[in-house]
Amino acid sequence: DIVMTQSPDSLAVSLGERATINCKSSQSVLYSANYRNYLAWYQQKPGQPPKLLIYWALTRESGVPDRFSGSGSGTDFTLTISSLEAEDVAVYYCQQYYSSPLTFGGGTKVGIK
Amino acid sequence: EVQLVESGGGLVQPGGSLRLSCEASGFTFSSYWMSWVRQAPGKGLEWVANIKQDGSEEYYVGSVKGRFTISRDNARNSLYLQMNSLRAEDTAVYYCARVYDSGSGSFYTPLDYWGQGTRVTVSS
Repeated sequence: DIVMTQSPDSLAVSLGERATINCKSSQSVLYSANYRNYLAWYQQKPGQPPKLLIYWALTRESGVPDRFSGSGSGTDFTLTISSLEAEDVAVYYCQQYYSSPLTFGGGTKVGIK
Repeated sequence: EVQLVESGGGLVQPGGSLRLSCEASGFTFSSYWMSWVRQAPGKGLEWVANIKQDGSEEYYVGSVKGRFTISRDNARNSLYLQMNSLRAEDTAVYYCARVYDSGSGSFYTPLDYWGQGTRVTVSS
């Protein structure tokens, strides 16, 4: 199974400042046949289901604000919120869909400093 | 508008059974792989199972193999999860989710829509 490790577990950022979340997979999720990274990011607000933010490691889902961006390849990935807004308070999860079983990171809780 | 509505959760004793349902609307249900994902109280997300559009293929996480069965009824736009031999560690909110259609025909894509979830508690 591919193990997904996120860091940090939590972080507090001032409004308008940058938030950076890291995700590391235990093996590469880059598929050589199409050069795509099989990596997604989800946002989960309290009491709500997860919401897809980013897929293929860097493609923003329709309707997701452009302050959210994904980067990385192979085994190391980053989700960046360029200018934190109050509505971004949530837990963020990375997920690999390269192989079964599909696996998620442990989550990173983002709050306001 | 895509909607996924789960039902069937509740309190069940260890060793018992429960059947979860997910009613889909707002999209052509029969054209999508579907998934169940669970979240234990205060914990992260765990993928449970996937089923192909026509029900001909099923995939499970190791911890539920042989105990849980995913199925679907495309005529009723419904997804199911039959859970047998339930254990305390199966206690969680269970989400129904749609697998994004990349055009490849596989389920190796993200989960683009999620229901609100149904809570399952396994306790004596």
